[in-house]
Amino acid sequence: LAKTTQPISMDSYEGQEVNITCSHNNIATNDYITWYQQFPSQGPRFIIQGYKTKVTNEVASLFIPADRKSSTLSLPRVSLSDTAVYYCLVAWGGKLIFGQGTELSVKP
Amino acid sequence: DTGVSQDPRHKITKRGQNVTFRCDPISEHNRLYWYRQTLGQGPEFLTYFQNEAQLEKSRLLSDRFSAERPKGSFSTLEIQRTEQGDSAMYLCASSLGDRANQPQHFGDGTRLSIL
Repeated sequence: LAKTTQPISMDSYEGQEVNITCSHNNIATNDYITWYQQFPSQGPRFIIQGYKTKVTNEVASLFIPADRKSSTLSLPRVSLSDTAVYYCLVAWGGKLIFGQGTELSVKP
Repeated sequence: DTGVSQDPRHKITKRGQNVTFRCDPISEHNRLYWYRQTLGQGPEFLTYFQNEAQLEKSRLLSDRFSAERPKGSFSTLEIQRTEQGDSAMYLCASSLGDRANQPQHFGDGTRLSIL
């Protein structure tokens, strides 16, 4: 069973900021929160990972509150090419468990 | 870019036939994972290797499935006596380190279609 819950789909427009929230109520003390992006007919691509507070890289930010029971992936100023499925996962020493992901559709 | 490569990209076969897929990970990566993905679902874990040792197998991996990583480099996934339900995308990923939370680099998969 997936250890995370996220919306099935989201719509946005070019240039907007998109925030995708993931719930992980049973996150373990050592679990990290990781996000992947997947385009059709391609393998998932690592986006960002964090343990607590805020992490930012060149493509996204990840916000994690103190209780770590949820996290939010923030994509600034999305473009049409950001249309993809986004997966939130938690993992430490074991295997990755993917849920259904969030299908993001960016419209012009 | 010497990322993870998988071969073949597509495989069509008749039910009952055996198929074998190959995965070449990023050269210095010690961990190698196999996943299966069906339409509209996220990837499902099948098995993983740390170097040449197969450390975990999912219960999804029936007796008809076998995976090897003989020298800790490339890996093969074989499915014997294929069934309709085996139709899926088979993904391989590799990572450096000994924890699942290390970023995994995925190949673009082998799409298997069973006639």
